[in-house]
Amino acid sequence: GDSVTQMEGPVTLSEEAFLTINCTYTATGYPSLFWYVQYPGEGLQLLLKATKADDKGSNKGFEATYRKETTSFHLEKGSVQVSDSAVYFCALRTNTGFQKLVFGTGTRLLVSP
Amino acid sequence: DAGVIQSPRHEVTEMGQEVTLRCKPISGHDYLFWYRQTMMRGLELLIYFNNNVPIDDSGMPEDRFSAKMPNASFSTLKIQPSEPRDSAVYFCASSPLGGAGVYEQYFGPGTRLTVT
Repeated sequence: GDSVTQMEGPVTLSEEAFLTINCTYTATGYPSLFWYVQYPGEGLQLLLKATKADDKGSNKGFEATYRKETTSFHLEKGSVQVSDSAVYFCALRTNTGFQKLVFGTGTRLLVSP
Repeated sequence: DAGVIQSPRHEVTEMGQEVTLRCKPISGHDYLFWYRQTMMRGLELLIYFNNNVPIDDSGMPEDRFSAKMPNASFSTLKIQPSEPRDSAVYFCASSPLGGAGVYEQYFGPGTRLTVT
């Protein structure tokens, strides 16, 4: 079945460091891909999305490119801030006719001053 | 818009008791989802509705769990009887009709359930 695999955390970085969180997927057809972020004590929020191969989603300095050839959607940010500390979830939307998301297990990011 | 509203935010109950979690989706959204989040299993989709009709309940763990959506602005997730292994954060999310386009799920703040 469809699935998403994320790198295990926590990822610990100093402020202004470069961030990469790896995400790969397995799916039939051409899914849409998402990154959601969960801040402490809150629900998930959509961070960015991409709907087709080579699309780049971006928001708040974060970017991810839909790579069909490697079935990947890695999240990157050039300079992280303490306020970016959160759990990041990669997800795909299946194209099987049902409007549901398949989530990865989440990667916790800790940014220290 | 107030976003997705869930109540209660925290619930502590004893094993064997009935628990009811409530959700008010964003007005105009056609889809409503219930998720469960635990450290061990991550984020799991329990059930989702389209226009108040349950579409996929394959994630509901067992018969002790039930969900209803009597109208477009209200849904409940009930656990009867509750067990300690049900302790988790339960999220409700809603979404507009996506069609062929890309849509976003809007999550509520969650209900943290503790069963002792």
